[in-house]
This record gives sequence, C-alpha cells and structure tokens, in this order.
Amino acid sequence: AQKVTQAQTEISVVEKEDVTLDCVYETRDTTYYLFWYKQPPSGELVFLIRRNSFDEQNEISGRYSWNFQKSTSSFNFTITASQVVDSAVYFCALSDHYKAAGNKLTFGGGTRVLVKP
Amino acid sequence: GAVVSQHPSWVICKSGTSVKIECRSLDFQATTMFWYRQFPKQSLMLMATSNEGSKATYEQGVEKDKFLINHASLTLSTLTVTSAHPEDSSFYICSARESSGSLGGEQYFGPGTRLTVT
Repeated sequence: AQKVTQAQTEISVVEKEDVTLDCVYETRDTTYYLFWYKQPPSGELVFLIRRNSFDEQNEISGRYSWNFQKSTSSFNFTITASQVVDSAVYFCALSDHYKAAGNKLTFGGGTRVLVKP
Repeated sequence: GAVVSQHPSWVICKSGTSVKIECRSLDFQATTMFWYRQFPKQSLMLMATSNEGSKATYEQGVEKDKFLINHASLTLSTLTVTSAHPEDSSFYICSARESSGSLGGEQYFGPGTRLTVT
C-alpha cells in the first residue's frame, strides 16, 4: 500500500524566511509519480509540481525548489524568501504509473504554512 | 485548458435529504474522474474512482449505496449523497483524468463543493 507522511502539521515563519516542507513516501512500485499541491483558504487545489521516480534532478521554479532523494524516499519542498501569499496548506501526493501519471492519488496529511508579515 | 468545474460550490441541506454534486471537464474528455472528501483540517481521502460507462470503484469503508456516482458522459460525473446526515458535512473535491492527447493523462482538480448538513 502507498503511504505519504508529512511530519510537520504546521509551520509558522516571518516573511522573507525560507521554509522547507518534508515529505516521505512509501510504495512498492518501481515507477511512480510525486506531486506537491497548494491549498489556499479558498479550498481549490493548486498544482505545483509533478516528478517521476526516474528523475532525481532537483528542480527550481522561482522561489520554489524541490529536493527528490530516492534513497531516503523523500521529496522535500522549499519556499525561499516566503511571502504572506504563501500562507496555505501544502500537500504532498503519490500515484503509481498506471496510465501515465493520471491514477488515483494518495495524499499526505498536509502542512499548514503561516507566513507572518 | 484543462478546467474542471463543480456545481454547486456550496450547499446546505437538511438531514435526510439527498444532494447531487456535478463535476464537469470543460475543455477535455475525461474517461476517469475521482471523488475525494476532505474534512476540516484534514487531508483529502479518495472516495471512489468513476469510469465513463461503467460502475464506480469505491474505496474501502465508503458506502456505495450512500454515495451514488454516475459517470454518464466523458465530461460529466455526478456524486449524490443520499439521506445526508450531519457527519456527511465535508468538502467534496473531484478530479478528472484526460483520456488521451496533449494533456497526457494528467489529473485536474475541481474547485470543490462544501456540503453542510443541518
């Protein structure tokens, strides 16, 4: 069975600080996909990134960066120079490879990030 | 592209009544749609997988007679909460998986429907 663990339930930072969100996953599949989503107070999920299990390169997108380490089954997410608008709940998720990344997702418990001005 | 809508965005109903929630893929065809439920301050839990033209597959612990799912077309899936009770109050989110083509089978989420049962 697949499992995603986000050990941090809530993180509070002051604006411009960096914040790293941890994600550890478990799967028996050799091919799988990892995702991060942002859920602002409105509730709508915002897709941030998808990474397949064969691509361990770290990725940077603006103030966001992701560190995928297959050896430790982790896919951590860092927000650099946080802003108040980054305040949201962030979910890490895992899906298997069935039909190319579009299979059902297993979500972690989520980490609530509060960025104070 | 790749927009998924849900209707209604929120609904309040009385205990014992039924509520229907629609999930539509607006600019692509979706062979498969997923229904998730999210209780306050909790994560999303998959309820069922809906495949066009066939019966939905329910996750363990989800009552199929209570949560009726119909996926009658490639752009519409509906979730009906029958005989709703206060404990069914939750945020229901659907997602749609594009059948083929340029979107490559990605999964896109709707904005969610907040159900309150009084």
